[in-house]
Amino acid sequence: GAGVSQSPRYKVAKRGQDVALRCDPISGHVSLFWYQQALGQGPEFLTYFQNEAQLDKSGLPSDRFFAERPEGSVSTLKIQRTQQEDSAVYLCASSSTPGRSTEAFFGQGTRLTVV
Amino acid sequence: GQQLNQSPQSMFIQEGEDVSMNCTSSSIFNTWLWYKQEPGEGPVLLIALYKAGELTSNGRLTAQFGITRKDSFLNISASIPSDVGIYFCAAYNTNAGKSTFGDGTTLTVKP
Repeated sequence: GAGVSQSPRYKVAKRGQDVALRCDPISGHVSLFWYQQALGQGPEFLTYFQNEAQLDKSGLPSDRFFAERPEGSVSTLKIQRTQQEDSAVYLCASSSTPGRSTEAFFGQGTRLTVV
Repeated sequence: GQQLNQSPQSMFIQEGEDVSMNCTSSSIFNTWLWYKQEPGEGPVLLIALYKAGELTSNGRLTAQFGITRKDSFLNISASIPSDVGIYFCAAYNTNAGKSTFGDGTTLTVKP
C-alpha cells in the first residue's frame, strides 16, 4: 500500500499474555520509529531503526518490550507478560531520510487493551 | 526528561473564528513540528520549522519558531468544522532523531 500499515488495529490481551504488533513501513523507507500514546497524551518515543539496525531503544519502558526489524523492512514490537499500564495506542512511523523525524509518516496505530 | 508544555488543553470556538495555541519547553530544540490527529488515525504533519524566528504558513495555518528556540505557536485563521481534532506540537534536535511531543490541544469547532 501507499502508507504505513499496522496490524492488528485492535488487540485485547489478558494480563500476563505476550503480544506482537506489526508495522509495514512505506516501501524503501530506511528509518522506522515506534511510539506509545496513552489516552489523552501525546506520543512518546520507544525505539528507532535505521534499516535493520536498532540505533536507539532508550524509550522502551522495560525489558518486557522488544522490537526488531530483521530485514530492514517490516518491524515487530513485542511485549511480554503484558500489564494493565501497557494499554495504549502503539504508533509506527517511517521516513525515507535517516534519522529525520520530520519527514516521518505515521500509521493508524494498534490500540492495545490489557484486561 | 525533556517535556513540551502545550496550551490550551482544549478550545471550543465558533466557525470562522481564529485560533491560537502554543508550546513551550525548558530545553532548546532546533526543529519544531506541528501535527494534527483525528480519531483512530496517526498524527499528520502540518508544518515543520527549522530556524529560530522562522514564520511558516500552510493555507490557513501559520506557525512560528520562537527566537529562544524554546517555544512555538500555531495559528489557524477562519476555522471550519473540518479543523476539529487534536493538535500536537513536537520538537527534536537533529542528531537525536526522535521527536518529543506535547500532550495536545483538542479543538472543537461549532458550526
